[in-house]
Formats: sequence, structure tokens, C-alpha cells
Amino acid sequence: SQQGEEDPQALSIQEGENATMNCSYKTSINNLQWYRQNSGRGLVHLILIRSNEREKHSGRLRVTLDTSKKSSSLLITASRAADTASYFCATGSGGSYIPTFGRGTSLIVHP
Amino acid sequence: DGGITQSPKYLFRKEGQNVTLSCEQNLNHDAMYWYRQDPGQGLRLIYYSQIVNDFQKGDIAEGYSVSREKKESFPLTVTSAQKNPTAFYLCASRATSEETQYFGPGTRLLVL
Repeated sequence: SQQGEEDPQALSIQEGENATMNCSYKTSINNLQWYRQNSGRGLVHLILIRSNEREKHSGRLRVTLDTSKKSSSLLITASRAADTASYFCATGSGGSYIPTFGRGTSLIVHP
Repeated sequence: DGGITQSPKYLFRKEGQNVTLSCEQNLNHDAMYWYRQDPGQGLRLIYYSQIVNDFQKGDIAEGYSVSREKKESFPLTVTSAQKNPTAFYLCASRATSEETQYFGPGTRLLVL
């Protein structure tokens, strides 16, 4: 079964709006990462947040982590058409780093 | 120009045929991974290797085989035992000191 589950499965917004996607997981983690995948391409790393962190920023990206609720959110502010992609969360736990990926959120940003 | 490459971009397999997907990295990473991605699904781990000459099965290893004879290379063979091989295959690598994986552009495997 998937460790991380993204929500919503699909999100459609207008350029300039903010996009929020969520990731829930089931067991304790060391860290959580967000990746982006453009259609038919490989994944690109966006941001990593460790279990002892609550919030991280990178440009227009803001990630939060709530370990008590076993959930994380990714906020993309002032979205652009180029942000259209699928976004995946990946959780890492244990000493041997084998991340577990969710099914992803498909984001469409209309120009 | 450092990175991770996969070839070919598209691969066609006939019934009963074994095919090999190439993955090469010049990032000097010790760990390498193979994932399978089906439409609407997340990434499922096929095999991974933490170091040269060693590899471990992932969640869906049946019908696949790998080798890790060189640090830079981690080829994946899809054997005839894999009855449903049509998917997008992604290779990734990681430095031992980091948690971040770096992905190749993927190979799409189709069955004729």
C-alpha cells in the first residue's frame, strides 16, 4: 500500500491563483520530500522537510509538516502555466533510504 | 554536464523477448534505483543498489533483473516472465550523504 497519499488527485486553477496540495502518510518518517513531474518526463526534486521542521520555503513554494496529523502540504503561490505538472510526495524513514511515493496530484494552471 | 541518462526513450518488446533498459549517471552517486510508473499511479520500486556489485529487490521485482558492475551503470532487464511490462520506467540515483534522488528522463516500454 502507498505510504503517502496526495489530495486532491487533480487540481485546476487560473494563472495567478495559489495551489495547495496535501500529502498524508501512515507511519513515522525522518523526512518528506516533494517532487514535480512534467508529462512524460522524470521527477525533479522541489523541497525536503525533516521531521523536526514545521515549515520550509523555496521561492514560490511553501511546505508545511504536521507530524501529529501525519500530513504535509505544498503551497505554490502566484501560479504560472509552467507549473502545470504532477506533484508527488515521498516519505523517508529508517536507516536505509528507500523513499515511498504517493500517487500524485495533477495540477493544471490555465493561462 | 552532469546528470543521469536513460536510453532508449521508447522501447518496443515482442512476446517472449527480453529487453534491457540503460541507466547511466556521472554524478558519482553510490545508490541507484529503478521504478515503474503506471498511469495514475505513483512510483513502485523494482530494484535498488546501494553500492557496486550489490542490489536488492524492491516491491515488484518479479519478471525483472538488474546488474551493478560499475558505479555509473545500473541496467534493467525486463524478462519474458514479466507479463504486463507496458509502463514508464524511471531510474534514479542518490549520494550516500543525501536523501534527495535525481531522476533520469525515463523510458517508455510498449508491447507489440
